[in-house]
Amino acid sequence: AQTVTQSQPEMSVQEAETVTLSCTYDTSESDYYLFWYKQPPSRQMILVIRQEAYKQQNATENRFSVNFQKAAKSFSLKISDSQLGDAAMYFCAYRSPRGSTLGRLYFGRGTQLTVWP
Amino acid sequence: NAGVTQTPKFRVLKTGQSMTLLCAQDMNHEYMYWYRQDPGMGLRLIHYSVGEGTTAKGEVPDGYNVSRLKKQNFLLGLESAAPSQTSVYFCASSYRSEGKETQYFGPGTRLLVL
Repeated sequence: AQTVTQSQPEMSVQEAETVTLSCTYDTSESDYYLFWYKQPPSRQMILVIRQEAYKQQNATENRFSVNFQKAAKSFSLKISDSQLGDAAMYFCAYRSPRGSTLGRLYFGRGTQLTVWP
Repeated sequence: NAGVTQTPKFRVLKTGQSMTLLCAQDMNHEYMYWYRQDPGMGLRLIHYSVGEGTTAKGEVPDGYNVSRLKKQNFLLGLESAAPSQTSVYFCASSYRSEGKETQYFGPGTRLLVL
């Protein structure tokens, strides 16, 4: 089974500053999808950003961008101009596009982000 | 358009009791999933369904059963609850278009088994 590792259990950032959350994964596949989900105290899982492995261009969504390094199997999330509402648990997730694991999401353990005013 | 809804939001059970968690989606999605989330862990897949009438085991299926009698509903059953099943349960649904798929999550159900 694929494994997803988030090595930072906790991170903190000052409001308006930039923070980067790390994620690495292990897979033998060449085609796959990667996601970052945000889970605020409400517990709702909210999709932040997605990346297709076949795309070399890094995905961006407003203040959120990723640094996808396929050879290194690294998928970090950068949050620019951090806001108080960004405080949440962030999960990195992997999805295989085929085979017996079709459609399944494999999650990391999460990084708790605190934003200081 | 309510998205993905889960019933109930919170429940307390005694060991050995049974219950069913209901997940409903109004987006006409083919795929539905049940996950559990434990402290310090990411979500782990319990069971999933790729269409009405079909289900399959995920990563941690023991102690759970599921049914997908209607496309919009995915039920998770605990026949004999155990304290180890204390967790937060998330349902998700998704569709695939042009090779892309994104899972949409419900708000979660907190279950405490005493």
